[in-house]
Amino acid sequence: NAGVTQTPKFRVLKTGQSMTLLCAQDMNHEYMYWYRQDPGMGLRLIHYSVGEGTTAKGEVPDGYNVSRLKKQNFLLGLESAAPSQTSVYFCASSYSVTSGGAWNEQFFGPGTRLTVL
Amino acid sequence: QKEVEQDPGPLSVPEGAIVSLNCTYSNSAFQYFMWYRQYSRKGPELLMYTYSSGNKEDGRFTAQVDKSSKYISLFIRDSQPSDSATYLCATTGANSKLTFGKGITLSVRP
Repeated sequence: NAGVTQTPKFRVLKTGQSMTLLCAQDMNHEYMYWYRQDPGMGLRLIHYSVGEGTTAKGEVPDGYNVSRLKKQNFLLGLESAAPSQTSVYFCASSYSVTSGGAWNEQFFGPGTRLTVL
Repeated sequence: QKEVEQDPGPLSVPEGAIVSLNCTYSNSAFQYFMWYRQYSRKGPELLMYTYSSGNKEDGRFTAQVDKSSKYISLFIRDSQPSDSATYLCATTGANSKLTFGKGITLSVRP
């Protein structure tokens, strides 16, 4: 199993450009998440999905859109990139938050390093 | 006040030292407490998780939660250079999203 994969690994954009980050998982997980990680800020949730065709806002959703057309894929879009969106983006997936009282682990991808000039 | 506070460090210790990493949280509804380890330029990986108060041990690692004081700890015994990484505490309720601390970077000197 590949687990959680992310495409691309690195990207440099100019202000105002758009791009899409792709996340794929092969663990048949229902839940998928997009986080950003910035120095001194930790991991912050951008958007998440609890199943195919669903999306919801997280802590820092502004400037991003997402889609979950297939269960195994979760796309993160930047319509008009800004320097403030320079960050490392991580995708994660899990079964539901808890099952039978046990917490279900979130598995993370390797990250995408995005620089917006 | 952020829901999860973690001393950002960094922390540098000699090989073989006992390391104590700590977080505090504010939401009494949090029930699950976890530690993720993140090596440089990699994604976070789950190290340990505990439910409610108490201790959990896994080899050289011990996770401890004190719900009365809202305190989360990770102890590393006989620390090794391979333990050098960023450690992130996180917590959640039964059906809510993970809330992460900012992470602390640990360096273990040979």
